[in-house]
Amino acid sequence: SAVISQKPSRDICQRGTSLTIQCQVDSQVTMMFWYRQQPGQSLTLIATANQGSEATYESGFVIDKFPISRPNLTFSTLTVSNMSPEDSSIYLCSVTGTSDTEAFFGQGTRLTVV
Amino acid sequence: AQSVTQLDSHVSVSEGTPVLLRCNYSSSYSPSLFWYVQHPNKGLQLLLKYTSAATLVKGINGFEAEFKKSETSFHLTKPSAHMSDAAEYFCVVSDRYSNSGYALNFGKGTSLLVTP
Repeated sequence: SAVISQKPSRDICQRGTSLTIQCQVDSQVTMMFWYRQQPGQSLTLIATANQGSEATYESGFVIDKFPISRPNLTFSTLTVSNMSPEDSSIYLCSVTGTSDTEAFFGQGTRLTVV
Repeated sequence: AQSVTQLDSHVSVSEGTPVLLRCNYSSSYSPSLFWYVQHPNKGLQLLLKYTSAATLVKGINGFEAEFKKSETSFHLTKPSAHMSDAAEYFCVVSDRYSNSGYALNFGKGTSLLVTP
């Protein structure tokens, strides 16, 4: 199993500003995933972060809006840039094993943009 | 890409009665399927998973699900609902992203309400 710590757990931000969310895993993992859960909605994959290479973004998400860093095998950050109220969501970090497909999630970051 | 469809957005049951949350999947090969639960203001918790072993999967808190390939279904059941089961439930299929990990495709969720 893996234990994931996300910071901050919640934040209220002004529109036009940026927020960086941190994700720390207690073990080394090759791939980390960032998801968004909009109010009352399901989870949508934003991007996949592989250590040592550029993140891979899903359709509808772009690097300029959601830059991701992956400096080592236990840590990643997701930045929500130039925020608008539509970015108000829960953002979750996740990892999966290689031999076991179970995914482990951080507690999420609840972002409100005003 | 694989996907799942949760057939009910809301399900309401009385405490002590059976729970059935329906999920159908589409897949071009043998999928890995999961049910996750999300309680209000809490993180996601894995209930159970199917990864090509036994088709009847038992999970935590008395939940179980049966993988039926002929029906492309993976419905979640529990014989007797408890008030604490009230939560959002997600049916999930994994996409093999690479040899190093799996991304998940989430259904839209089913909100379970348990009444006294």
